[in-house]
Amino acid sequence: KAGVTQTPRYLIKTRGQQVTLSCSPISGHRSVSWYQQTPGQGLQFLFEYFSETQRNKGNFPGRFSGRQFSNSRSEMNVSTLELGDSALYLCASSPGQGSSYNEQFFGPGTRLTVL
Amino acid sequence: KNQVEQSPQSLIILEGKNCTLQCNYTVSPFSNLRWYKQDTGRGPVSLTIMTFSENTKSNGRYTATLDADTKQSSLHITASQLSDSASYICVVSDAGGYNKLIFGAGTRLAVHP
Repeated sequence: KAGVTQTPRYLIKTRGQQVTLSCSPISGHRSVSWYQQTPGQGLQFLFEYFSETQRNKGNFPGRFSGRQFSNSRSEMNVSTLELGDSALYLCASSPGQGSSYNEQFFGPGTRLTVL
Repeated sequence: KNQVEQSPQSLIILEGKNCTLQCNYTVSPFSNLRWYKQDTGRGPVSLTIMTFSENTKSNGRYTATLDADTKQSSLHITASQLSDSASYICVVSDAGGYNKLIFGAGTRLAVHP
């Protein structure tokens, strides 16, 4: 079974631009979560989608948004990029049914650099 | 405030030696605790998941323990190998929301020959 894939793997943008990152979960998984990882803050939860609905949201500004499609693929969008948005963005998928015990499987991440 | 704290921040050991990493948490209500291994530039990979009723869980040379009363967990690595060099992240899931995870800052382990 193929793992979680994320595209693109690397991205360079300038301040003020917007960016869209994509995540394809493991086949059959309906939950997709997004995380931001920086050296200073570690891994921080952005949001989680399940069956095309946002089920959980972290403490990030409205510039960070996401969506999930009917095939469970998910996109994350960041508008009006700031230097501080430079980070590794990780996507994780899980079956999503039942309790929060479900194990999450992470993708390789998208390294975003904002200049 | 829900928090997960890990120690030490970094650790250097010689190949073949054992080591133990620590994790303290204040997450409530508690659902489960996970240990992940993250190689540089890659996504985290799950090592163990434990609920409050589980005291210990092993995955090869990795053994995690959990004391839900003191809200402490440890990850013990036996007979370390060079490939164990990575960041080890303790993650606690709060029972209030599906898949909402609180991450520790990680312990960076370097195994030297």
